[in-house]
Amino acid sequence: GNSVTQMEGPVTLSEEAFLTINCTYTATGYPSLFWYVQYPGEGLQLLLKATKADDKGSNKGFEATYRKETTSFHLEKGSVQVSDSAVYFCALTIGAAGNKLTFGGGTRVLVKP
Amino acid sequence: DTGVSQDPRHKITKRGQNVTFRCDPISEHNRLYWYRQTLGQGPEFLTYFQNEAQLEKSRLLSDRFSAERPKGSFSTLEIQRTEQGDSAMYLCASSRDSSYNEQFFGPGTRLTVL
Repeated sequence: GNSVTQMEGPVTLSEEAFLTINCTYTATGYPSLFWYVQYPGEGLQLLLKATKADDKGSNKGFEATYRKETTSFHLEKGSVQVSDSAVYFCALTIGAAGNKLTFGGGTRVLVKP
Repeated sequence: DTGVSQDPRHKITKRGQNVTFRCDPISEHNRLYWYRQTLGQGPEFLTYFQNEAQLEKSRLLSDRFSAERPKGSFSTLEIQRTEQGDSAMYLCASSRDSSYNEQFFGPGTRLTVL
């Protein structure tokens, strides 16, 4: 089956620090990969996506590269802000499987001033 | 684009009662998904519709759960004879019917079964 594994949190950082959240996946088909973010008290929002190998998704200073050889989609940001404090979810879909999302367990990030 | 809406936002019920949740997707979206999220976990897929047809149900969806999308617009999720283990956040998402769809999520309905 399909699964997503991401590093457990919480991750606590100081403002302007570098953030990396590791994500690896297993998939029976050729997946599209996503990072979703859940800010406190809000719903899930799509942060970025990549649909084929070597694609780089980027948004709001976050980046992630689809690495087929290592089945990974690590999320990075060079300089975090307090407003980046949230829970981040890595996820995948398989088009032939109805595009239902398979999520990782989430990583809570806390950025301190 | 008014976004995906869900009602109610919170529901507290006693064990054994039936509950029904509603989801209104983004108007031009053909696909509608239901997920369940328990505390500290990622969302888990429950079921999805393309227009009014329910195309897949997860094994997580026991016989006590039923979902409908009668006119291909809003959807309802009903849980009969609720159990404490049903306590979770129930999320609805919608998307266009395309190869690389993005799913847009509603705010969720938080169910607490006492």
